[in-house]
Amino acid sequence: QSALTQPASVSGSPGQSITVSCTGTSSDVGGYDYVSWYQQHPGKAPKLMIYDVSKRPSGVSDRFSGSKSGNTASLTISGLQAEDEAVYYCNSFTSSSTFVFGTGTKVTVL
Amino acid sequence: QVQLVESGGGVVQPGWSLRLSCAASGFTFRSYAMHWVRQAPGKGLEWVAVISYDGSNKYYADSVKGRFTISRDSSKSTLYLQMNTLRAEDTAIYYCARDLMSYTSGWCDYWGQGTLVTVSS
Repeated sequence: QSALTQPASVSGSPGQSITVSCTGTSSDVGGYDYVSWYQQHPGKAPKLMIYDVSKRPSGVSDRFSGSKSGNTASLTISGLQAEDEAVYYCNSFTSSSTFVFGTGTKVTVL
Repeated sequence: QVQLVESGGGVVQPGWSLRLSCAASGFTFRSYAMHWVRQAPGKGLEWVAVISYDGSNKYYADSVKGRFTISRDSSKSTLYLQMNTLRAEDTAIYYCARDLMSYTSGWCDYWGQGTLVTVSS
């Protein structure tokens, strides 16, 4: 159950688009559509941003979108805003019927 | 409104046991799978365990398998995590989270505020 691989940090200017990648294997990300993304601000509980690879929960801005290709899932934030600055984690179901989080990506708004 | 309130955290010595509770309200508890997720100080999220809506299926991370037990009491709308043989590396904030589905999808739409467990001699 190794953590999924995410870049440590990604940055962008307000209004720009950024993409956070999440790389796993055929036993997790590549094998199932049970991929989700979470946003966590300092000292706060995580918040579900994307589920089922690309679906948004009610209340989540449509500036957030998700996709998957092979063993890599991606989270794109368009029209970057200051409030988007946070740590983002991906999560996937695994072939062991367990779940695994990514290593986390710090998104910085320049 | 949906609320999840964890309790039971504290400071314990290595090898000791602790039971965490998560009181749920604002939704039909027996209809949803539930998870425990932890976060060591300054570190990332680590999935710990999940239990299906009816308690019939339980799965654990390798790091806690054989030491931790997840359970639920629908009559009390409460989720539990029994933690035995605690180690220093179990030190973390423990969150309970509701799965979006009755089966275990891993899509956690509501989270508690977390309870801190510190394992130290």
